[in-house]
Amino acid sequence: QQQVKQSPQSLIVQKGGISIINCAYENTAFDYFPWYQQFPGKGPALLIAIRPDVSEKKEGRFTISFNKSAKQFSLHIMDSQPGDSATYFCAASGRGGTSYGKLTFGQGTILTVHP
Amino acid sequence: DGGITQSPKYLFRKEGQNVTLSCEQNLNHDAMYWYRQDPGQGLRLIYYSQIVNDFQKGDIAEGYSVSREKKESFPLTVTSAQKNPTAFYLCASAQGWSNQPQHFGDGTRLSIL
Repeated sequence: QQQVKQSPQSLIVQKGGISIINCAYENTAFDYFPWYQQFPGKGPALLIAIRPDVSEKKEGRFTISFNKSAKQFSLHIMDSQPGDSATYFCAASGRGGTSYGKLTFGQGTILTVHP
Repeated sequence: DGGITQSPKYLFRKEGQNVTLSCEQNLNHDAMYWYRQDPGQGLRLIYYSQIVNDFQKGDIAEGYSVSREKKESFPLTVTSAQKNPTAFYLCASAQGWSNQPQHFGDGTRLSIL
């Protein structure tokens, strides 16, 4: 019940296209859903995060869509650029139980944006 | 600049040897974490600490140990009991404990000689 399932494992997009990465969770105690971006040899960096009281959050070209009833959330990267090529992780944590304060990560998606 | 410093960047371990990975933060964060990253498996939590002199086991604590004697430091020891230590180790910190953004260092890559 602690798992966060992320798909696809890898994604290839042309420059200017839309990249979409999906995550699903089971633990209804989760109430914080961040996305991280990681470049090779570096640590992950927080990209954008959402809480379940909103269905969508947008920051520049990055948008999180959240579907509480389906227990799914996704990252959309508009106008994808070669500089967006990285590994993306979704994560979740909750305010109670064994998930309290601890992030559970998805398996990661390797995004490649071709020029 | 505020941030998290992990050292060394690369580390090699001999059979039967304990090695210690350093993690220092100057963000004045209370919470600190250690993760292990393996290809295709995301990040898995090894240990975490909410406050000085207190720490808890994460999901994969066996073969690892930590200490938290100072707010800014959270070293991880990979003991000889960890039979598969080859991985990328990431340290993170957060302002508080409840659903706060975690800030990561640039990791230490540990390999077996």
